[in-house]
Amino acid sequence: DAKTTQPPSMDCAEGRAANLPCNHSTISGNEYVYWYRQIHSQGPQYIIHGLKNNETNEMASLIITEDRKSSTLILPHATLRDTAVYYCIVRVASGTYKYIFGTGTRLKVLA
Amino acid sequence: DSGVTQTPKHLITATGQRVTLRCSPRSGDLSVYWYQQSLDQGLQFLIQYYNGEERAKGNILERFSAQQFPDLHSELNLSSLELGDSALYFCASSVGARSNTGELFFGEGSRLTVL
Repeated sequence: DAKTTQPPSMDCAEGRAANLPCNHSTISGNEYVYWYRQIHSQGPQYIIHGLKNNETNEMASLIITEDRKSSTLILPHATLRDTAVYYCIVRVASGTYKYIFGTGTRLKVLA
Repeated sequence: DSGVTQTPKHLITATGQRVTLRCSPRSGDLSVYWYQQSLDQGLQFLIQYYNGEERAKGNILERFSAQQFPDLHSELNLSSLELGDSALYFCASSVGARSNTGELFFGEGSRLTVL
């Protein structure tokens, strides 16, 4: 299974862009990168996913490097409600379809 | 609201006891996943079912078992409970094992406290 590495914590000023990095240097060609977040002890929430191209939705943008060994989740205008733990996950493309969550990045948005 | 329902929301029991956690996936979702999250820890994958069949296993203890029923709801059974089993247990569902979107939809969790 491809593993991911994320910084344990980050701070971001409210209104500024939050850039959350993820390293997945052992990712395979057919594996997707997914991002989820968990606010307090709520159930994790899907944010975005991508394979090769950059992706954008109403919540965030996902930038994947050309070699696919790393990616960055961008929250363009962070708000206090974006304070959460953000998980970067590489989807195992085997028949088992496990989703392995790492320890994530604890993002604190500061007023 | 993710559409995934977990019951009970809170459960307090004693060591050595057995409990059952229940999960109803989103309508139409065939795949169910169970995760354990201990205090201030990450999500540990336990087990996955697809349309009634076990598809993947994580670090699930032998004292734990699960199943998915014909109506697609799933139950996680925890027996001979120990203090260290106190945790949040999350259920998630997705469309299917081969869904390209791959989104998981999580319930709000069942908080188990073992005294």
